[in-house]
Amino acid sequence: GESVGLHLPTLSVQEGDNSIINCAYSNSASDYFIWYKQESGKGPQFIIDIRSNMDKRQGQRVTVLLNKTVKHLSLQIAATQPGDSAVYFCAERPGFQKLVFGTGTRLLVSP
Amino acid sequence: DVKVTQSSRYLVKRTGEKVFLECVQDMDHENMFWYRQDPGLGLRLIYFSYDVKMKEKGDIPEGYSVSREKKERFSLILESASTNQTSMYLCASSPHGQPQHFGDGTRLSIL
Repeated sequence: GESVGLHLPTLSVQEGDNSIINCAYSNSASDYFIWYKQESGKGPQFIIDIRSNMDKRQGQRVTVLLNKTVKHLSLQIAATQPGDSAVYFCAERPGFQKLVFGTGTRLLVSP
Repeated sequence: DVKVTQSSRYLVKRTGEKVFLECVQDMDHENMFWYRQDPGLGLRLIYFSYDVKMKEKGDIPEGYSVSREKKERFSLILESASTNQTSMYLCASSPHGQPQHFGDGTRLSIL
């Protein structure tokens, strides 16, 4: 498969564990944040988003937490499955329609 | 489901050639984006467009141009390809203020 990042931080978990992927963002003016999942050979796929007036948002098996004080974003995946193995990107929106992406974290889930 | 289609999955061109990468979306989205993705650098925005015939420079526009003559189509042009433009190119589209949806990418090699 194609490599989307040779020097990525990697999180290794066991199937069934909860995973937490962290992201630091840079612009205190960013008003919107988003998490994407990218599997090998595919484009990034939207997972969940959150606006700056919230500090938590939940989806199906995923939760995003936003701490504006320390400019930190996290993605929590409950009961991680092998199909969750991918590279995860956070992104912030500092201005009109533009997103600025982090460099990504590789999640490896072992059975 | 949103469909963002990039015309080629793999492309090999020679230094100095003019290269066209095509992207089509079928959801009547106002915004379209071109990114490049390189190991360890994440996704970097080259150009985006928020309406037909409108374009805005992203973070790394040098050596590239774009064309948006129709709402559904956004073309990325490498005026004179160079080896440092070897990369994975990703196209995305979105309605205003909504998450971006990505195509599966074009892996471009410049020899």
